[in-house]
Amino acid sequence: EPEVTQTPSHQVTQMGQEVILRCVPISNHLYFYWYRQILGQKVEFLVSFYNNEISEKSEIFDDQFSVERPDGSNFTLKIRSTKLEDSAMYFCASRVGGQLMNTEAFFGQGTRLTVV
Amino acid sequence: AQSVTQLGSHVSVSEGALVLLRCNYSSSVPPYLFWYVQYPNQGLQLLLKYTTGATLVKGINGFEAEFKKSETSFHLTKPSAHMSDAAEYFCAVSSSQAGTALIFGKGTTLSVSS
Repeated sequence: EPEVTQTPSHQVTQMGQEVILRCVPISNHLYFYWYRQILGQKVEFLVSFYNNEISEKSEIFDDQFSVERPDGSNFTLKIRSTKLEDSAMYFCASRVGGQLMNTEAFFGQGTRLTVV
Repeated sequence: AQSVTQLGSHVSVSEGALVLLRCNYSSSVPPYLFWYVQYPNQGLQLLLKYTTGATLVKGINGFEAEFKKSETSFHLTKPSAHMSDAAEYFCAVSSSQAGTALIFGKGTTLSVSS
């Protein structure tokens, strides 16, 4: 069964360092998302990506964040200069397309980012 | 703006007992409502969804949920809990007018004891 894969499963980085989280969406999907969940808090929407550009983003997704689809299969989230408060579980998701009511979003297992 | 409140961060039931996980939403437009489940070390998996039509929706693994507009609720139920139901459950809201982003609740951890 096709699935969304995320690497690494756990990343530890020093404050101020750049980090790249990687995702491989399901191959025929057109919409891609990043969400995050800080420990004990809600799963929060960060950004959606369609047709090689950001289609929607939340207030959390500031200039420190960027997304890219560098090679037609990977979908990456970059955090330029990590802060302690960026420590969270980051989920990637993808869906085929069309209205949300017709297609579900498939989620990856998540990458746990720990900033020290 | 849309939001979701899940009442109870932890729910414990005995095997065979009724499962009830509560979700209330806030939305200024007709909502689309979802329940996702996360098993340990796995991603989020869709259990069921409500978009339009019948307000009682059935999902996988014997779960169902009822959309009650007057109560702004979308509670998840299962008549008889199984040990394999132990997981974290997330309620989420979206709408076609608000774009495709899902707004999640904090999640409820379900424990099932024998």
